[in-house]
Amino acid sequence: DAGVIQSPRHEVTEMGQEVTLRCKPISGHNSLFWYRQTMMRGLELLIYFNNNVPIDDSGMPEDRFSAKMPNASFSTLKIQPSEPRDSAVYFCASSGVFEQYFGPGTRLTVT
Amino acid sequence: QQPVQSPQAVILREGEDAVINCSSSKALYSVHWYRQKHGEAPVFLMILLKGGEQKGHEKISASFNEKKQQSSLYLTASQLSYSGTYFCGTVYSGAGSYQLTFGKGTKLSVIP
Repeated sequence: DAGVIQSPRHEVTEMGQEVTLRCKPISGHNSLFWYRQTMMRGLELLIYFNNNVPIDDSGMPEDRFSAKMPNASFSTLKIQPSEPRDSAVYFCASSGVFEQYFGPGTRLTVT
Repeated sequence: QQPVQSPQAVILREGEDAVINCSSSKALYSVHWYRQKHGEAPVFLMILLKGGEQKGHEKISASFNEKKQQSSLYLTASQLSYSGTYFCGTVYSGAGSYQLTFGKGTKLSVIP
């Protein structure tokens, strides 16, 4: 199995631009999680889906962030407009039963 | 509310042992342990479910004390490959959903 796949691996954009991060979970996993990791705040859960349905989005920082999961094999996290404080590593993880498997992450830099 | 990990950082020589603790102020359903190496994604190590079992993975084991809402990760005869940041993730009892809240991590450095 290829594991969780994320793209792009690195993204550099200017403030105000739209950013879309993509995730392909492990086949057969029914839960998908989006995390953000920074030095200051650590690893934060942004949103998670179960069977493609958003269950808890209380971690989404503000309306500029949105996430979708149109099918079991694809999810996106969108930031519009982006701001410098959004700079972080964004991880996607998927889970079958208990353990979560993380993708390699997307390092986002907003200048 | 985040679980509290201690210590924040520890330096070991190869072959030494270490204990990393994770405490919660809320009742726990399960505790998960992950290790993250610099520039990489967190990797799952083990899960401890309510019921008080101790698990092991080679020379790394963990325990879960339900009464104290604490878990400890034991690293025995440390190897250079054990270096990284260790995170505990907790699922709270009665949360109604299976989502993890991570501690801030414990940075472990193993030196020759």
